[in-house]
Amino acid sequence: DQQVKQNSPSLSVQEGRISILNCDYTNSMFDYFLWYKKYPAEGPTFLISISSIKDKNEDGRFTVFLNKSAKHLSLHIVPSQPGDSAVYFCAASVRSGGGADGLTFGKGTHLIIQP
Amino acid sequence: SQTIHQWPATLVQPVGSPLSLECTVEGTSNPNLYWYRQAAGRGLQLLFYSIGIDQISSEVPQNLSASRPQDRQFILSSKKLLLSDSGFYLCAWSQGTPEKLFFGSGTQLSVL
Repeated sequence: DQQVKQNSPSLSVQEGRISILNCDYTNSMFDYFLWYKKYPAEGPTFLISISSIKDKNEDGRFTVFLNKSAKHLSLHIVPSQPGDSAVYFCAASVRSGGGADGLTFGKGTHLIIQP
Repeated sequence: SQTIHQWPATLVQPVGSPLSLECTVEGTSNPNLYWYRQAAGRGLQLLFYSIGIDQISSEVPQNLSASRPQDRQFILSSKKLLLSDSGFYLCAWSQGTPEKLFFGSGTQLSVL
């Protein structure tokens, strides 16, 4: 059973426009959410995170929005740049449980930025 | 600063052969260590995690095992590989904020 779902396997966006990547989760115990970025043949790198006590977190061009009632989060990238082309993974954890047992990841969305 | 090393980068193994992937972390002590796998068309699946030497937890039943003989060394093994073991294997560590993982560069394993 997929507890973290990224329903769009790929997304194509024009350079300079906004990229919106979506993620849904089913486990109501999740209280911390992260986005990772992955280039081919490399390990994922941390991008941005949000605690369940917030509904928005911003870091430069990247903003994550959390809608707890809908169990939905999204990552906005504005403006999109060619270097943003990568696979983006949504991840979640039960931080209040210690979190040492790792993250639950979605299947990823391949973002392609068109020149 | 902390670094994580994972090797080899690629590996091609015949079905039924053994496997040993090694991961080491530098610049920290007593990290939480993890093995993840990304199979084709699937997300990152947690295989094993360890909060200390010889303390290994398995998340899914499988043909693989993990060991942590030293504080900063994590090894993924198999006695006999299956075709379904093919995938991209990632080692990761965390500390302090355990939900924030730092990944190695991964091993692409092809079982033929």
